[in-house]
Amino acid sequence: QKEVEQNSGPLSVPEGAIASLNCTYSDRGSQSFFWYRQYSGKSPELIMFIYSNGDKEDGRFTAQLNKASQYVSLLIRDSQPSDSATYLCASRRSTGNQFYFGTGTSLTVIP
Amino acid sequence: GAGVSQSPRYKVAKRGQDVALRCDPISGHVSLFWYQQALGQGPEFLTYFQNEAQLDKSGLPSDRFFAERPEGSVSTLKIQRTQQEDSAVYLCASSLARGRNSGANVLTFGAGSRLTVL
Repeated sequence: QKEVEQNSGPLSVPEGAIASLNCTYSDRGSQSFFWYRQYSGKSPELIMFIYSNGDKEDGRFTAQLNKASQYVSLLIRDSQPSDSATYLCASRRSTGNQFYFGTGTSLTVIP
Repeated sequence: GAGVSQSPRYKVAKRGQDVALRCDPISGHVSLFWYQQALGQGPEFLTYFQNEAQLDKSGLPSDRFFAERPEGSVSTLKIQRTQQEDSAVYLCASSLARGRNSGANVLTFGAGSRLTVL
């Protein structure tokens, strides 16, 4: 079982809609979670991190963490064509400092 | 430096050749990570260093893979006797590693080294 699981998609939403991306993790002791965006042919870049249960908002992005369900999500409001990319969910292990990534969800925002 | 620098950006090797990939992390970053990313997949953990100490190498796929960071800054990932299945993008990332749940303990990635083994 992979440490982090994501639905690979692809996910398509119309411009202006809300995109919802989800992931689950297997290490119940993991404390920190990260969303990275990766454009085709580029390296991942950090969007947000979250380590407390609940919601964390940053502009059009909201990360949600539910430790009881071992579930992390990312909401993108007012989606723009420039948001079209692969979104990677990552967790940091409870022991050590290793970061583990999911396979990524491909998002396409249709103008 | 301002960012994580990786070289070479592209490397074509014949099967059986040895390759060396270099990573120069952000100045002052304590932790350094290597990942392998195959086409259409997420980054797969290979190994990580804290300063010069290699704390986890459990992700290295075989004993043909070797990584070092002798002075706690620049790191080299070496692949011996390359095979076609080694073709991938090799990503290096670094972090300050201060405070487990702080904004300083996030990964910043380099542009990657794309290895193609013929």
